Amino acid sequence: DTGVSQDPRHKITKRGQNVTFRCDPISEHNRLYWYRQTLGQGPEFLTYFQNEAQLEKSRLLSDRFSAERPKGSFSTLEIQRTEQGDSAMYLCASSLKQGLGEQYFGPGTRLTVT
Amino acid sequence: AQRVTQPEKLLSVFKGAPVELKCNYSYSGSPELFWYVQYSRQRLQLLLRHISRESIKGFTADLNKGETSFHLKKPFAQEEDSAMYYCALKRATTDSWGKLQFGSGTQVVVTP
Repeated sequence: DTGVSQDPRHKITKRGQNVTFRCDPISEHNRLYWYRQTLGQGPEFLTYFQNEAQLEKSRLLSDRFSAERPKGSFSTLEIQRTEQGDSAMYLCASSLKQGLGEQYFGPGTRLTVT
Repeated sequence: AQRVTQPEKLLSVFKGAPVELKCNYSYSGSPELFWYVQYSRQRLQLLLRHISRESIKGFTADLNKGETSFHLKKPFAQEEDSAMYYCALKRATTDSWGKLQFGSGTQVVVTP
């Protein structure tokens, strides 16, 4: 297990198109988080899953954004009708319920909307 | 609302000099504080957390609830410490889950 993986690493899309990102957490981790990071800022929380249940969503997650974790393993984040303001790095993190709950981050997907 | 402030965007220090990265927070409840680090072309990783009260790579950080601060310190900076550092806050919960609230980060450059 090489840690949290994300695919694709880079995505360039035209405004108005839909995009989908995938996150594969560390295999035994039952908690999964999505964050968004724009230039010059720290990551901002978007949403959180425990197993397949989406337990919390940020107000940053507009109705154009949807996230799923259908079998409690990998997760997808879809953005519909992309806007230039959606350009950012999208980070996924996972953690164990037990213990200190350290969040392990993936490499991120960099989205550029032209 | 909770907030994490890192006032310095860039810290440039000489090798062997002390380095201190400032972090202030606002939160009405009981927080957990963390420092994350991102080295060039690597992913974000946990450096240390206040509840562990440990020194990692020579770095220490003390939670000062009176001053609502969690500054990161190292007495002798090394070139390999050059990285982006983020302070983060999480509300303390009984089962350790929770979103992280990050500061905007401080870029540290250590010159020989």
